[in-house]
Amino acid sequence: GENVEQHPSTLSVQEGDSAVIKCTYSDSASNYFPWYKQELGKGPQLIIDIRSNVGEKKDQRIAVTLNKTAKHFSLHITETQPEDSAVYFCAASRDTGFQKLVFGTGTRLLVSP
Amino acid sequence: DAGVIQSPRHEVTEMGQEVTLRCKPISGHDYLFWYRQTMMRGLELLIYFNNNVPIDDSGMPEDRFSAKMPNASFSTLKIQPSEPRDSAVYFCASSLGSSNTGELFFGEGSRLTVL
Repeated sequence: GENVEQHPSTLSVQEGDSAVIKCTYSDSASNYFPWYKQELGKGPQLIIDIRSNVGEKKDQRIAVTLNKTAKHFSLHITETQPEDSAVYFCAASRDTGFQKLVFGTGTRLLVSP
Repeated sequence: DAGVIQSPRHEVTEMGQEVTLRCKPISGHDYLFWYRQTMMRGLELLIYFNNNVPIDDSGMPEDRFSAKMPNASFSTLKIQPSEPRDSAVYFCASSLGSSNTGELFFGEGSRLTVL
């Protein structure tokens, strides 16, 4: 089955800096890669996703890149703000089986003012 | 819509007791998922339903765990008997199968502590 590894487990940055979180996956058939943000005391919430037919996707300050050959994908947050502080999870699944998302172990991002 | 609603938000119980967690999915969503979150294992899929029918329960840890979905607006996850290692945050999520995003909408979770 699919295995998703995520690094780093914790990341501390100063407000305004960029943050990068990286994930690798094992199943070459996976082609759907969402990122979820979990704030304290809340459930995870989808912030961006990418499918294997594109290499990069942007939405304002966040972007995701995908390298299918190397089987890794990354989340980039630019101009970080304190409200970006949260736990971020990457995930992977086959598009036809998106129901069976496999999540990474999470990255705790702390943005200091 | 109020989103996915879970109850209770917190549950403290003693080993051996029965625990029932409840979930109301977003109206119109045809998929419902139960996840467990722990520091050691992260987010694990326990079971999911499609149109109230259990599709995959391969993530259910053992026979002490059971889940039901008697109708489109209600699901339960039951642990009987509970053990300290069951302590975790349990999330319910729902999604719309016809959506082109596959987005999961999570509830706020039920934090279970088994003493």
